[in-house]
Amino acid sequence: GAGVSQSPSNKVTEKGKDVELRCDPISGHTALYWYRQSLGQGLEFLIYFQGNSAPDKSGLPSDRFSAERTGGSVSTLTIQRTQQEDSAVYLCASIEHRGQETQYFGPGTRLLVL
Amino acid sequence: KQEVTQIPAALSVPEGENLVLNCSFTDSAIYNLQWFRQDPGKGLTSLLLIQSSQREQTSGRLNASLDKSSGRSTLYIAASQPGDSATYLCAVSPGNTPLVFGKGTRLSVIA
Repeated sequence: GAGVSQSPSNKVTEKGKDVELRCDPISGHTALYWYRQSLGQGLEFLIYFQGNSAPDKSGLPSDRFSAERTGGSVSTLTIQRTQQEDSAVYLCASIEHRGQETQYFGPGTRLLVL
Repeated sequence: KQEVTQIPAALSVPEGENLVLNCSFTDSAIYNLQWFRQDPGKGLTSLLLIQSSQREQTSGRLNASLDKSSGRSTLYIAASQPGDSATYLCAVSPGNTPLVFGKGTRLSVIA
């Protein structure tokens, strides 16, 4: 594809519901990052996938957050029992390979938890 | 823990002015530094990437400098245009780990 795509672009949900956010990286890119951008805050790292290695989950804020990457391509970020503080823009980025540090970002998913 | 600070948080200038955005980081052991642009409702676009061994990078009207020892970088925009209005983010890479971002500088260029 032409770039990193994310869906949905916007999501409004009620507190306590589960949500799934999807990221389609650039074809052939082996590394994928999820970040969160809250109002007035910088981008916060969530999780990192590199090839077939175990993901780096050190940035996940709680056990309500999880992510998977199937077939080394598409990734899904799941937030269970959403809270109002989860409202943010969730951004995905991919890198061609380790050592190639230019990250290509998707447009993000704007999540609003009511 | 690496921390990245961007000053100012917001900046408004008339069209045609040259301007400088500042970025500072607390740990000089970085692999590279990047400047990104973010338009409202959009993702991030990489503008310039400076490797730790480099002092500056240029692209068109943009010039980014890096002083690793003092933990500073500047993004210079020449002859600003209304289309330059966006949020500019600075991020450092500690190497094989996620980028650490500043909170950004929101730039408005007034026609």
